Amino acid sequence: GAVVSQHPSWVICKSGTSVKIECRSLDFQATTMFWYRQFPKQSLMLMATSNEGSKATYEQGVEKDKFLINHASLTLSTLTVTSAHPEDSSFYICSARTSSYNSPLHFGNGTRLTVT
Amino acid sequence: AQSVTQLGSHVSVSEGALVLLRCNYSSSVPPYLFWYVQYPNQGLQLLLKYTTGATLVKGINGFEAEFKKSETSFHLTKPSAHMSDAAEYFCAVSRYGNNRLAFGKGNQVVVIP
Repeated sequence: GAVVSQHPSWVICKSGTSVKIECRSLDFQATTMFWYRQFPKQSLMLMATSNEGSKATYEQGVEKDKFLINHASLTLSTLTVTSAHPEDSSFYICSARTSSYNSPLHFGNGTRLTVT
Repeated sequence: AQSVTQLGSHVSVSEGALVLLRCNYSSSVPPYLFWYVQYPNQGLQLLLKYTTGATLVKGINGFEAEFKKSETSFHLTKPSAHMSDAAEYFCAVSRYGNNRLAFGKGNQVVVIP
């Protein structure tokens, strides 16, 4: 089946540094990708939707300049957490699908970010 | 806007017993409804989904869910719990297919031998 690879699976960084998370579709063209954030024992909160070649659409309350999303190709989207702070520590998950709204949604295995 | 309510963050069930996870949603338009399962430190796997048509939806691993419009519910059931069912389960709703899903808070299922 279709696979979405997310890298790294975990990362620890110091406060004030930036961290990049990659989300790759391995065997299909991911026209649309979604980035979620999951706090411990809570649900997934949609951060942004990105379409290949376009600027990402951010959900209300998500800082565009803090969470930079790039979706430059049909197989890769990246999320960069800039000037990370401890409150940015969380589990970040990407998902991807092809162009149709009804095409299956495939999730990555997530990235555990810890900011010290 | 869509939203999902899942009550009871932790659900304990004996092996072989019925699994019942409740999901109620709100949506201004006919919803698309989903159940996902998440194992520790992994992404989400789709169990089943409702789009249109038959209101009883069968999914993988013996799970099924029934869409009840009058009750705005989409409860998940499995007749007989297995140890491998221990995981976190999320109900989700969207307006347009697999687009901008809104998730519930999840149910952590513990299966007791």
